[in-house]
Amino acid sequence: VQLVQSGGGVFQPGGSLTLSCAASGFTFKNAWMVWVRQTAERGLEWIGRIKSESDGGATNYASPVEGRFVISRDDSNSRLFLHMSGLQIEDTAIYYCTTVTFWGQGSPVTVSS
Amino acid sequence: SYDLTQPPSVSVSPGQTAMISCSGDVLPRQYASWYQQRPGQAPVAVIYKDNQRPSGTPERFSASSSGTTVTLTISRVQAEDEADYYCQSVDSSGAWLFGGGTKLTVL
Repeated sequence: VQLVQSGGGVFQPGGSLTLSCAASGFTFKNAWMVWVRQTAERGLEWIGRIKSESDGGATNYASPVEGRFVISRDDSNSRLFLHMSGLQIEDTAIYYCTTVTFWGQGSPVTVSS
Repeated sequence: SYDLTQPPSVSVSPGQTAMISCSGDVLPRQYASWYQQRPGQAPVAVIYKDNQRPSGTPERFSASSSGTTVTLTISRVQAEDEADYYCQSVDSSGAWLFGGGTKLTVL
């Protein structure tokens, strides 16, 4: 089982980016997927979740990112995405995709002018 | 502050038993998971659904619950167990809740 993340880097406030998470070794289409971020100051922080399509495919988001971040999935390619816009300094963190038992390697995102 | 409360640190000698607690109002109603995180690495689940071990997690890792507190127990602690440990559960909307983490030091 693997979750391999791509994306991340240094971005300006107000900017946008998309993180990707490629899944293998399990039935991705049946999995509820979650994005979590981590900073030294705030620890681990839940960003949001997307249900499987068979369970309705609904998304839920944490208040700090609601309206700015969008989670989507491509079941045909076993990929999860986190579309981030309106970036703020406080979005600087390491971002992880996870299913609970499996975690990606993390994508560092720095928001700085 | 964090929705789940953990002690900041626990110290134990090799071969002894480490116990890390996690308290929160949701815990009697929701599953808890535990993650191990070594420096510079992603978290790794060691317990999920209260007391299930993912494949690859040593049997030395176990978990129990009592009321609003869940406890991760690591028996026969080894040097490689030194890491940060986080508990996690969910609220009624399905949002994940995390503890602030416990640094386990193997003396």
